[in-house]
Amino acid sequence: DAGVIQSPRHEVTEMGQEVTLRCKPISGHDYLFWYRQTMMRGLELLIYFNNNVPIDDSGMPEDRFSAKMPNASFSTLKIQPSEPRDSAVYFCASRTGFNSGNTIYFGEGSWLTVV
Amino acid sequence: QQQVKQSPQSLIVQKGGISIINCAYENTAFDYFPWYQQFPGKGPALLIAIRPDVSEKKEGRFTISFNKSAKQFSLHIMDSQPGDSATYFCAASIHDYKLSFGAGTTVTVRA
Repeated sequence: DAGVIQSPRHEVTEMGQEVTLRCKPISGHDYLFWYRQTMMRGLELLIYFNNNVPIDDSGMPEDRFSAKMPNASFSTLKIQPSEPRDSAVYFCASRTGFNSGNTIYFGEGSWLTVV
Repeated sequence: QQQVKQSPQSLIVQKGGISIINCAYENTAFDYFPWYQQFPGKGPALLIAIRPDVSEKKEGRFTISFNKSAKQFSLHIMDSQPGDSATYFCAASIHDYKLSFGAGTTVTVRA
């Protein structure tokens, strides 16, 4: 399997622009997570889905952030409008269903810089 | 606030030495404690994990020690190698999925 695939790997955008990050989870995985990593706050869970349904979005920082999962093989994280403080690495991760010891697999991340 | 506190922030060890990273938690409902390894430019990858019903788990040169009463767990890297140079994150969760991560420890192994 190719693993969790994220795009773009790097994005530089101007403040106020819309940013869309994309994720393809590992086939067969029914949990999908979006994490954000910054030096100041470390790794934070933003939202996770189970069977394409958002379960917990309590980590989404504000209304400018939204996430969707239209089908089992695709998810997006959108920031509109973007701000410099949104600069971070955004990771998508996936795992199989709720069983003991199932590993969460991370993608390589999308490096976002908002100038 | 961070639910898992990790220390030290960074450490340097000589090749062949032992690296020790410590983590502490407050939420007694946590029942899964993984360690993730992250190389620059890559996503975190699961290294080893433990559940609170055991006090130690070893996989190769990596060992987790778990102290349930103290609410602490640690990662020991034995015979550290330059290829182990990475950032290590402890984490904790209830039922495996909603991970709370520590702040990370950058390990540098000097040859």
